Amino acid sequence: AQKITQTQPGMFVQEKEAVTLDCTYDTSDQSYGLFWYKQPSSGEMIFLIYQGSYDEQNATEGRYSLNFQKARKSANLVISASQLGDSAMYFCAMRGGSQGNLIFGKGTKLSVKP
Amino acid sequence: GAGVSQSPRYKVAKRGQDVALRCDPISGHVSLFWYQQALGQGPEFLTYFQNEAQLDKSGLPSDRFFAERPEGSVSTLKIQRTQQEDSAVYLCASSLYSPSGRDNEQFFGPGTRLTVL
Repeated sequence: AQKITQTQPGMFVQEKEAVTLDCTYDTSDQSYGLFWYKQPSSGEMIFLIYQGSYDEQNATEGRYSLNFQKARKSANLVISASQLGDSAMYFCAMRGGSQGNLIFGKGTKLSVKP
Repeated sequence: GAGVSQSPRYKVAKRGQDVALRCDPISGHVSLFWYQQALGQGPEFLTYFQNEAQLDKSGLPSDRFFAERPEGSVSTLKIQRTQQEDSAVYLCASSLYSPSGRDNEQFFGPGTRLTVL
Protein backbone atom coordinates (compact mmCIF):
# COMPACT_ATOMS: atom_id res chain seq x y z
CA ALA A 1 0.00 0.00 0.00
CA GLN A 2 1.14 3.52 -0.67
CA LYS A 3 1.96 5.75 2.25
CA ILE A 4 3.29 9.24 2.91
CA THR A 5 5.09 10.05 6.16
CA GLN A 6 5.72 13.55 7.45
CA THR A 7 7.51 13.34 10.79
CA GLN A 8 7.56 17.05 11.68
CA PRO A 9 4.23 18.16 13.18
CA GLY A 10 5.51 21.73 13.47
CA MET A 11 8.48 23.79 12.35
CA PHE A 12 9.68 27.31 13.08
CA VAL A 13 11.87 29.37 10.78
CA GLN A 14 13.17 32.90 10.92
CA GLU A 15 12.01 35.22 8.17
CA LYS A 16 14.41 35.24 5.17
CA GLU A 17 15.99 31.93 6.14
CA ALA A 18 15.59 28.62 4.30
CA VAL A 19 13.66 25.68 5.73
CA THR A 20 13.36 22.01 4.78
CA LEU A 21 10.16 20.06 5.33
CA ASP A 22 10.61 16.30 5.37
CA CYS A 23 8.62 13.73 3.45
CA THR A 24 9.20 10.03 2.94
CA TYR A 25 7.02 7.75 0.89
CA ASP A 26 6.37 4.10 0.32
CA THR A 27 5.20 2.58 -2.92
CA SER A 28 5.81 -0.49 -5.02
CA ASP A 29 5.00 1.34 -8.25
CA GLN A 30 7.83 2.11 -10.66
CA SER A 31 6.13 5.22 -11.97
CA TYR A 32 4.67 7.69 -9.52
CA GLY A 33 4.26 11.38 -8.88
CA LEU A 34 4.94 13.41 -5.76
CA PHE A 35 3.28 16.70 -4.86
CA TRP A 36 3.53 19.37 -2.23
CA TYR A 37 0.54 21.49 -1.26
CA LYS A 38 0.22 24.49 1.03
CA GLN A 39 -2.91 24.95 3.12
CA PRO A 40 -3.28 28.36 4.78
CA SER A 41 -5.81 28.96 7.52
CA SER A 42 -8.42 29.75 4.85
CA GLY A 43 -8.48 26.03 4.07
CA GLU A 44 -7.76 25.91 0.36
CA MET A 45 -5.07 23.51 -0.84
CA ILE A 46 -2.57 25.37 -3.01
CA PHE A 47 -0.34 23.38 -5.36
CA LEU A 48 3.35 24.17 -4.94
CA ILE A 49 5.50 21.69 -6.80
CA TYR A 50 5.49 18.34 -8.59
CA GLN A 51 8.16 15.67 -9.06
CA GLY A 52 7.78 12.68 -11.35
CA SER A 53 9.61 9.51 -10.41
CA TYR A 54 11.46 9.47 -13.74
CA ASP A 55 12.38 13.15 -13.70
CA GLU A 56 16.16 13.38 -13.68
CA GLN A 57 16.27 16.89 -12.29
CA ASN A 58 14.93 18.02 -8.95
CA ALA A 59 11.84 20.15 -9.45
CA THR A 60 11.99 23.87 -8.75
CA GLU A 61 9.24 26.51 -8.72
CA GLY A 62 10.43 29.94 -7.66
CA ARG A 63 11.39 29.77 -3.98
CA TYR A 64 10.32 26.14 -3.75
CA SER A 65 12.53 23.21 -4.62
CA LEU A 66 12.11 19.52 -4.09
CA ASN A 67 15.06 17.47 -2.86
CA PHE A 68 14.19 14.14 -4.46
CA GLN A 69 16.23 11.14 -3.29
CA LYS A 70 14.71 8.14 -4.99
CA ALA A 71 16.82 5.48 -3.31
CA ARG A 72 15.88 6.83 0.10
CA LYS A 73 12.26 7.37 -0.97
CA SER A 74 12.34 10.92 0.24
CA ALA A 75 10.94 14.08 -1.32
CA ASN A 76 11.76 16.98 0.97
CA LEU A 77 10.47 20.48 0.24
CA VAL A 78 12.95 23.33 0.55
CA ILE A 79 11.61 26.87 0.89
CA SER A 80 14.25 29.53 0.42
CA ALA A 81 14.06 33.06 1.83
CA SER A 82 11.01 32.39 4.02
CA GLN A 83 8.30 35.02 4.15
CA LEU A 84 5.66 35.66 6.79
CA GLY A 85 3.03 34.56 4.26
CA ASP A 86 4.62 31.12 4.14
CA SER A 87 3.12 30.33 7.55
CA ALA A 88 0.67 27.50 6.83
CA MET A 89 0.22 23.73 6.83
CA TYR A 90 2.26 21.89 4.22
CA PHE A 91 1.23 18.53 2.86
CA CYS A 92 3.25 16.02 0.90
CA ALA A 93 1.20 13.76 -1.35
CA MET A 94 1.56 11.09 -3.98
CA ARG A 95 -0.67 10.00 -6.75
CA GLY A 96 -2.18 6.66 -5.88
CA GLY A 97 -5.18 4.52 -6.43
CA SER A 98 -6.53 3.35 -9.73
CA GLN A 99 -7.78 6.79 -10.72
CA GLY A 100 -4.97 9.03 -9.61
CA ASN A 101 -6.38 10.24 -6.34
CA LEU A 102 -3.85 11.81 -4.00
CA ILE A 103 -2.60 10.16 -0.82
CA PHE A 104 -1.57 12.76 1.73
CA GLY A 105 0.69 12.82 4.74
CA LYS A 106 -0.43 14.31 8.04
CA GLY A 107 1.19 17.63 7.27
CA THR A 108 3.71 19.99 8.84
CA LYS A 109 2.70 23.31 10.35
CA LEU A 110 5.27 25.93 9.40
CA SER A 111 5.50 29.14 11.39
CA VAL A 112 7.68 31.97 10.09
CA LYS A 113 8.94 34.33 12.76
CA PRO A 114 9.62 38.01 12.01
CA GLY B 1 -13.27 33.43 -10.85
CA ALA B 2 -12.06 30.41 -12.75
CA GLY B 3 -11.23 28.22 -9.77
CA VAL B 4 -13.09 25.41 -8.04
CA SER B 5 -15.92 26.66 -5.89
CA GLN B 6 -17.78 24.91 -3.09
CA SER B 7 -20.91 25.73 -1.19
CA PRO B 8 -21.81 26.18 1.52
CA ARG B 9 -18.48 27.12 3.09
CA TYR B 10 -19.80 26.23 6.53
CA LYS B 11 -22.58 23.88 7.53
CA VAL B 12 -23.86 23.04 10.98
CA ALA B 13 -26.18 20.05 11.19
CA LYS B 14 -27.93 18.30 14.01
CA ARG B 15 -27.16 14.62 14.34
CA GLY B 16 -29.48 12.66 12.10
CA GLN B 17 -30.01 15.41 9.53
CA ASP B 18 -29.19 15.01 5.86
CA VAL B 19 -26.76 17.44 4.22
CA ALA B 20 -25.78 18.20 0.63
CA LEU B 21 -22.45 19.74 -0.30
CA ARG B 22 -21.91 21.25 -3.74
CA CYS B 23 -18.80 21.47 -5.89
CA ASP B 24 -18.38 23.51 -9.08
CA PRO B 25 -15.19 22.35 -10.81
CA ILE B 26 -13.10 24.29 -13.27
CA SER B 27 -14.85 24.37 -16.62
CA GLY B 28 -13.64 21.60 -18.88
CA HIS B 29 -12.08 19.52 -16.16
CA VAL B 30 -12.97 15.89 -16.70
CA SER B 31 -11.81 14.52 -13.36
CA LEU B 32 -13.41 15.38 -10.04
CA PHE B 33 -12.36 14.15 -6.62
CA TRP B 34 -13.90 14.44 -3.16
CA TYR B 35 -11.73 14.31 -0.05
CA GLN B 36 -12.51 14.38 3.67
CA GLN B 37 -10.13 16.19 6.00
CA ALA B 38 -10.54 15.59 9.70
CA LEU B 39 -9.11 18.12 12.14
CA GLY B 40 -5.33 17.95 12.25
CA GLN B 41 -5.10 15.36 9.50
CA GLY B 42 -4.35 15.28 5.81
CA PRO B 43 -7.18 14.91 3.31
CA GLU B 44 -8.40 11.41 2.63
CA PHE B 45 -9.89 10.29 -0.67
CA LEU B 46 -13.61 9.65 -0.83
CA THR B 47 -14.65 9.25 -4.44
CA TYR B 48 -13.74 10.01 -8.06
CA PHE B 49 -15.70 10.98 -11.16
CA GLN B 50 -14.61 10.98 -14.75
CA ASN B 51 -17.22 13.17 -16.42
CA GLU B 52 -20.54 11.82 -15.08
CA ALA B 53 -19.23 8.35 -14.31
CA GLN B 54 -18.34 7.54 -10.72
CA LEU B 55 -15.36 5.29 -11.28
CA ASP B 56 -14.14 4.91 -7.72
CA LYS B 57 -16.08 5.19 -4.48
CA SER B 58 -13.78 3.07 -2.41
CA GLY B 59 -13.13 5.85 0.10
CA LEU B 60 -16.73 6.51 1.08
CA PRO B 61 -16.86 5.59 4.78
CA SER B 62 -20.39 4.22 4.83
CA ASP B 63 -23.53 3.82 2.78
CA ARG B 64 -24.75 7.09 4.30
CA PHE B 65 -22.41 8.87 1.90
CA PHE B 66 -23.54 9.36 -1.68
CA ALA B 67 -22.07 11.45 -4.50
CA GLU B 68 -23.31 12.34 -7.95
CA ARG B 69 -22.27 14.35 -10.99
CA PRO B 70 -25.21 13.88 -13.35
CA GLU B 71 -24.12 16.19 -16.18
CA GLY B 72 -20.40 15.82 -15.82
CA SER B 73 -19.84 19.24 -14.28
CA VAL B 74 -21.31 20.16 -10.87
CA SER B 75 -21.07 17.46 -8.22
CA THR B 76 -22.98 16.97 -4.98
CA LEU B 77 -21.84 14.99 -1.96
CA LYS B 78 -24.77 13.93 0.19
CA ILE B 79 -24.52 12.61 3.71
CA GLN B 80 -27.61 11.02 5.18
CA ARG B 81 -28.38 10.77 8.89
CA THR B 82 -25.24 12.68 9.85
CA GLN B 83 -23.18 11.53 12.81
CA GLN B 84 -20.69 13.44 14.91
CA GLU B 85 -17.80 11.56 13.32
CA ASP B 86 -18.80 13.10 9.98
CA SER B 87 -17.58 16.49 11.24
CA ALA B 88 -14.73 17.45 8.92
CA VAL B 89 -13.78 19.67 6.01
CA TYR B 90 -14.92 18.26 2.69
CA LEU B 91 -12.66 19.22 -0.18
CA CYS B 92 -13.42 18.99 -3.86
CA ALA B 93 -10.70 18.95 -6.52
CA SER B 94 -10.78 18.87 -10.30
CA SER B 95 -8.21 18.18 -12.97
CA LEU B 96 -7.76 17.64 -16.65
CA TYR B 97 -7.55 13.97 -17.37
CA SER B 98 -4.13 12.62 -18.19
CA PRO B 99 -2.70 9.18 -17.48
CA SER B 100 0.52 10.64 -16.15
CA GLY B 101 2.50 13.76 -15.71
CA ARG B 102 1.91 17.30 -14.68
CA ASP B 103 -1.55 17.46 -16.20
CA ASN B 104 -2.71 15.48 -13.21
CA GLU B 105 -2.39 18.56 -11.04
CA GLN B 106 -5.53 18.76 -8.94
CA PHE B 107 -7.02 22.15 -8.24
CA PHE B 108 -8.80 22.33 -4.92
CA GLY B 109 -11.79 24.30 -3.78
CA PRO B 110 -11.93 26.11 -0.42
CA GLY B 111 -13.80 23.24 1.20
CA THR B 112 -16.98 22.94 3.22
CA ARG B 113 -16.54 22.75 6.98
CA LEU B 114 -19.25 20.45 8.33
CA THR B 115 -19.99 20.42 12.04
CA VAL B 116 -22.44 17.85 13.35
CA LEU B 117 -23.83 18.60 16.80
